[in-house]
Amino acid sequence: AQSVAQPEDQVNVAEGNPLTVKCTYSVSGNPYLFWYVQYPNRGLQFLLKYITGDNLVKGSYGFEAEFNKSQTSFHLKKPSALVSDSALYFCAVRENGNNRLAFGKGNQVVVIP
Amino acid sequence: DSGVTQTPKHLITATGQRVTLRCSPRSGDLSVYWYQQSLDQGLQFLIQYYNGEERAKGNILERFSAQQFPDLHSELNLSSLELGDSALYFCASSVAEASNDYTFGSGTRLTVV
Repeated sequence: AQSVAQPEDQVNVAEGNPLTVKCTYSVSGNPYLFWYVQYPNRGLQFLLKYITGDNLVKGSYGFEAEFNKSQTSFHLKKPSALVSDSALYFCAVRENGNNRLAFGKGNQVVVIP
Repeated sequence: DSGVTQTPKHLITATGQRVTLRCSPRSGDLSVYWYQQSLDQGLQFLIQYYNGEERAKGNILERFSAQQFPDLHSELNLSSLELGDSALYFCASSVAEASNDYTFGSGTRLTVV
């Protein structure tokens, strides 16, 4: 069964510093990987996805993620965090042949001014 | 506006009652997915419909049911409500039955008192 682990409940980072949100996954076969962001009282907004090809994926708002097959990871990164990046971040995976996304529990990111 | 419309945005009801949540998918999308977001369980997949037919089922309680109508809108029915059913219910849509492009609505916040 497909699953995702986001090991940290909260990530605190100073504004201007690099931001990393960790994600590891478990699937049978090749994974399709996603990152979403949720602002308070809002729905999920798509950031980026890995389907195939280049392991480094660039997405919205300056975010990027690196697919690492050997470590089964898909960490989200941003070189310089903004206060407005404070939100809840979800990693998700879909395995081939499965119709739905499996989400991690989410990471609260707090960017400190 | 993501193109996926969920109504109502907020719902407060008493234990034992029944409610209906509505989702209109993005124009052209045939698949509708329902997810439940709660503090303790995170984002849980409930059920998927594609072009009017049920396609996948997740952790959906027997007290919950859903359907997709010919105009492709979907309704999630929750009955015999319990305090633990209080959550944010999201709808997402996609063009295909198995997709890597999902659009999420802003959710319906259900509070059971």
